[in-house]
Amino acid sequence: AQTVTQSQPEMSVQEAETVTLSCTYDTSESDYYLFWYKQPPSRQMILVIRQEAYKQQNATENRFSVNFQKAAKSFSLKISDSQLGDAAMYFCAYRSPFFYGGATNKLIFGTGTLLAVQP
Amino acid sequence: GAVVSQHPSRVICKSGTSVKIECRSLDFQATTMFWYRQFPKKSLMLMATSNEGSKATYEQGVEKDKFLINHASLTLSTLTVTSAHPEDSSFYICSAEQLAGVFSETQYFGPGTRLLVL
Repeated sequence: AQTVTQSQPEMSVQEAETVTLSCTYDTSESDYYLFWYKQPPSRQMILVIRQEAYKQQNATENRFSVNFQKAAKSFSLKISDSQLGDAAMYFCAYRSPFFYGGATNKLIFGTGTLLAVQP
Repeated sequence: GAVVSQHPSRVICKSGTSVKIECRSLDFQATTMFWYRQFPKKSLMLMATSNEGSKATYEQGVEKDKFLINHASLTLSTLTVTSAHPEDSSFYICSAEQLAGVFSETQYFGPGTRLLVL
């Protein structure tokens, strides 16, 4: 079974600085998807970034980028120019390739990293 | 795009009553919808997966007679908490996924429903 590990329960960053959140996973599958979701105090889960394992290029979305190391099974999230609105719980998640009607499209979540942004 | 709504956002009910929570995908057809439960400062716990027109698949330990899920159309799924008790008080979140297209193979989440059972 797949597992996702976020080893940093809490992180803190100064406004305008850069922070990296760690995520490792375990799987025997060769193709899969990885996600970072953000959950601010409103508790709305927001998709930050998505990475397809077959793509070697690291995904980026504005100030958010990932360092995807497939061999090491590592998927870290870098937030550049941190803003107060980035303060949230961040969840890393794994998803198997989609098979219609099967249960393999479940998301496997890590335990989350609570990010504080200091003004 | 990829907006999922959830209603109500919060509900307070008396012990023994049933509560229905609706989850709608507003701008795409959701082949699959998921229901989660989340305790404070914890990760999401998957309760069940539902595909349109078929019975929901419940995770181990989730009472299917307690948490009734209906996925009647490609844009609507409902979770009914039957005979609610204080221990059912929690934050319930739905998500929706499209089979194919721009939003495929990615779950988009509703804003959640806070349930308090007195």
